[in-house]
Amino acid sequence: EPEVTQTPSHQVTQMGQEVILRCVPISNHLYFYWYRQILGQKVEFLVSFYNNEISEKSEIFDDQFSVERPDGSNFTLKIRSTKLEDSAMYFCASSGSNQKNSPLHFGNGTRLTVT
Amino acid sequence: AQSVTQLGSHVSVSEGALVLLRCNYSSSVPPYLFWYVQYPNQGLQLLLKYTSAATLVKGINGFEAEFKKSETSFHLTKPSAHMSDAAEYFCAVRAHGKTANNLFFGTGTRLTVIP
Repeated sequence: EPEVTQTPSHQVTQMGQEVILRCVPISNHLYFYWYRQILGQKVEFLVSFYNNEISEKSEIFDDQFSVERPDGSNFTLKIRSTKLEDSAMYFCASSGSNQKNSPLHFGNGTRLTVT
Repeated sequence: AQSVTQLGSHVSVSEGALVLLRCNYSSSVPPYLFWYVQYPNQGLQLLLKYTSAATLVKGINGFEAEFKKSETSFHLTKPSAHMSDAAEYFCAVRAHGKTANNLFFGTGTRLTVIP
C-alpha cells in the first residue's frame, strides 16, 4: 500500500539554525499538510498546500515557517531560525481529494530536537 | 467551529476486555469524524471514518465506532482487547467550510492493555 515517507526520522539542531523537513507524499495525491505534536500535547495543524500554494495555515505557521514543493515528488517544511519551542514531532500528510470524507494519510514523522 | 473532546487521557483494560474510548464533538453542521491510532514511534494510521452513510462504522483491527447525534458522540469500541492494541488513539473532526480542509484532533487517549 502506498505510504507517505518522511526524512529524517530524527533531527537535532541548535537554536537559530535553519532546518528542512522532507516528505514524499503518496504519488497521486494533490493535497498536502504539515502537522506537529509537541511532546505530551495534541496534534496541531500547521499548513495545507494545494496547486503549488498554501491553501490554509494556522496561527502557529508564522514567518519562520515556509513550505515548498520543489519537484514533482517532495514536499518540504522549512523553519528559518529554530527556537527551543519548535521541538516537536512533525507529521506530513497527504490526501487524494478535498472531499470532507477523504482521510489524510500520515507519515511516521520527524522528531525535531532544538538545543 | 469544529472541535473534539476525548475524555480520559489514559485507559487501561485487561486483555480480552471491552475497549471503550470516548470522543465527543462540537459542530454546527453534520461532522466528518475520524479515529486515528498512533503506535510507538510511528505515524498516525487511520482506523475508521464517519461520513454519514451509516451510524455504526467498522474499521481495521476489529474496532468500530458509533455516531450518536443526540449525544454528539463518536466513541470507539472493540469487544476484546489484544496486547497489540496498546497505542495512542486520536479522534479528529474535519474543518467546515469550502476551503478549510484540515483536521482538528483531540488530545488523545493512551490505551494500556494488561495481560
